[in-house]
Formats: sequence, C-alpha cells, structure tokens
Amino acid sequence: GDSVTQMEGPVTLSEEAFLTINCTYTATGYPSLFWYVQYPGEGLQLLLKATKADDKGSNKGFEATYRKETTSFHLEKGSVQVSDSAVYFCALSNSGAGSYQLTFGKGTKLSVIP
Amino acid sequence: EPEVTQTPSHQVTQMGQEVILRCVPISNHLYFYWYRQILGQKVEFLVSFYNNEISEKSEIFDDQFSVERPDGSNFTLKIRSTKLEDSAMYFCASSERAYGYTFGSGTRLTVV
Repeated sequence: GDSVTQMEGPVTLSEEAFLTINCTYTATGYPSLFWYVQYPGEGLQLLLKATKADDKGSNKGFEATYRKETTSFHLEKGSVQVSDSAVYFCALSNSGAGSYQLTFGKGTKLSVIP
Repeated sequence: EPEVTQTPSHQVTQMGQEVILRCVPISNHLYFYWYRQILGQKVEFLVSFYNNEISEKSEIFDDQFSVERPDGSNFTLKIRSTKLEDSAMYFCASSERAYGYTFGSGTRLTVV
C-alpha cells in the first residue's frame, strides 16, 4: 500500500537557520502531496500542497517541490522563526487509486530557539 | 475562518465502556472523516463519510467503531467497548469536495 517516510525528529534550529525536512513516498500512480503543520494544542493545518510532478507548493515562506523521479517532497524554509516551532507532517492522497484518504508520515517536531 | 469543532478536548474512560466523540463539521462541507494518532505514531485514517454513508474505512475501523451524523450538524464516532490500545488523539475533518480537508483540534482519549 501507499506509505510516507519522513525524517525523524526532533529538529532544533536557531532562528534564521535554513530548514529542510525530508519526505519520500511510495504510491501507485500519481498521488497528490501535502505538508500539514500542527502547532501546540491545535489541529492539523494544511501548509502547502502539490498535485502533479514538478509542481512547487509554497506558503508562509515554506516550499516543497513534487519530485516524481526521486519520489520526494522535501519541505524547506530559508530562515526559520521561533513561531515556526511545531510538528510537521508529510502526507499523500491517491485519488487515482480510488481513495481520498490521507496517508501520513510520522511527523517531525521542529523547535526553533532564539 | 470556519472551524471544525471537536468535543471534548480530553476524555478519560474505563476499559470496556462506550465512548462517543463529537464533531461539528463546517456547515457547507459534504465529506467527513475521522483519523487517529496514537502517541508517538503516525496519524492514521479511520473512516470517511459522504451522503449519509461510509465511503471508505481502514482495517482499524472494525465492528467496535461506528459513525453517525444524527442531526445534520454533528458527526460522531462511537467506540462500543474501549480497549487500552484505543488511547489516542482522534481528529475529525471535513471538506467541501474530496480534497481540501479542515481538521479539528482533536480529542485526546485516555482509556484506563
């Protein structure tokens, strides 16, 4: 079945550092890819998405590019802030396989220190 | 901005008891979902609901689980006889189309 693997956390960075959180996937066909963020005490919020190969999703300074050749969707941000401290989840949805459910990775906890 | 509301935020129940988790989806949404996250593990799909019936369910969603939309605004998840391993954070979500989920803040269920 479909699966998502993302880098283990926790990740601790200083403010203004560069962030990369790796995500790779296994799926049949052409899934849509997502990054969700969970701030402390809150629900899962969609951060960005990409629906086809070479698409770049972006939001709030975060970016991720759908790379079919490497089955990856790595999350990047050039300069993190303390307010970016949260848990980040990579996910896919494979409507081509007849399913709209989301398959999530385990999540990566990011802590940004001043 | 419209929200998905889940109540309670935390529920403690004894093993073997029935529990009902409640969700109020966004009013014009048509698709409804339950997911769960056992502490330290992945967020897992449980069930999706559309047009007053289950459209997909995972192997986790066995006979102990049921969902209902009793009154056109609430969407509930019932666990008939809770086990220790049901302890998890349960997330409700809704969407206008099959994509574009909005998640609630979750209910932390602790089975003792």
